Formats: sequence, structure tokens, C-alpha cells
Amino acid sequence: EAGVVQSPRYKIIEKKQPVAFWCNPISGHNTLYWYRQNLGQGPELLIRYENEEAVDDSQLPKDRFSAERLKGVDSTLKIQPAELGDSAVYLCASRGHPTRGFTDTQYFGPGTRLTVL
Amino acid sequence: AQKVTQAQTEISVVEKEDVTLDCVYETRDTTYYLFWYKQPPSGELVFLIRRNSFDEQNEISGRYSWNFQKSTSSFNFTITASQVVDSAVYFCALSPYNTDKLIFGTGTRLQVFP
Repeated sequence: EAGVVQSPRYKIIEKKQPVAFWCNPISGHNTLYWYRQNLGQGPELLIRYENEEAVDDSQLPKDRFSAERLKGVDSTLKIQPAELGDSAVYLCASRGHPTRGFTDTQYFGPGTRLTVL
Repeated sequence: AQKVTQAQTEISVVEKEDVTLDCVYETRDTTYYLFWYKQPPSGELVFLIRRNSFDEQNEISGRYSWNFQKSTSSFNFTITASQVVDSAVYFCALSPYNTDKLIFGTGTRLQVFP
């Protein structure tokens, strides 16, 4: 079974430029998460989707960050414009529902390492 | 407040040594879940274990074992006979009941030298 797929793995941009990250969750997982992991820290949740609905975006800086999951499968996280402080690893995770035979555990992708110069 | 503390920032051991990674959590919930994840240099967080608050039975999986003690709010992780491939950052996480949130500690970097 394929894991969570993310692309790109690395991205270097100059400040004020836009950037987008893509995530493909594990097949059948209806819950999708975006996390940000700063250097030396644990991941922190940015947004959570149940199918195509964002059910928790309280930690998403909405002035510059946006996300979408139009068909309830793949998701895109965008930053526009990027700032120096946005340099971090952006992790995507997905979880299936136990009633559908999945374990109640979040599985993570490899992340996108963003460097803003 | 809900919080996870991993006081050990970095641990270095020589191969075949046993090593214990500490995790202390804070929560007022009576029902919650605890996790350990491994993050190798490739960056992916690899799920290791999930434990609910009603199950204090210690668990062993190969060279890995976990000691859950509600009395001290600790969920420690021991690697027996460590190997170079165990080198990674290990994160402990707390999921409060019915929230679907993971609250991570700051991680412990384990370096195993040959």
C-alpha cells in the first residue's frame, strides 16, 4: 500500500514569492492534515480536512496561507507571499476511519522542506 | 494545559547499548492517546505505537518497549541493543480525547555510533 505522497521534496524561493505544496493521502483516508515543523520542534497542525471540508483551520495564518482539497482526495497548501519565517518543513498526514477498517492513526508523508531567502 | 515534554534534546550511544527516551505529558482529560513517532533523516514521521489512557500494560515489539505510567504521566520508550539504523529524532505525542489533534513534544535526537 502506498504511503502519503508529497511534492516537491525541497523548495527554495525568495521572499514575497508564492509557493505551493501538494499532497496525495493514503487511498481511502478521508481525513487529511497539514502540519508545519520548524527546526528543532515537533510538528504543529495548520489545517485538518474531513473529505473536502476544512474542519479545523484555526492555526492557519489566513492572511497568506490557503489550502484546498477540492475532490476530497489530493490537497494543495499555498503561501502567498512567502516570508523568511515561513522556512520550515511542511508535512501532510492522513487518517482513515476505523469503521472502514483503518486504524485510528495519522500517517505522515516525507514533507516539503521550504527555504525562503 | 495540554503539553508534552521531552527533556532529552540529544542522546548519543554506542551500538548495542540500551537507551531510554523520556516523555512526560500534561492533560486534564481522563481519556487520551499517546504516540511515539520516529523521524529518520529522510524526514518522514514513522508511526511506532499508539496507546490509550486506559491501557497501562507495557508493550514490547522486538527491540522496542514502552513503559506507560499514569501515576507519573510518563510514556517512556526503550530501545534494547541499539543499532545505527535507530539513529533518528523520536517524537512523543498526545492526542486529547475526541479532538483528533496531535500535540507533539520537541523530540529527542538519538545518535547511535558503530
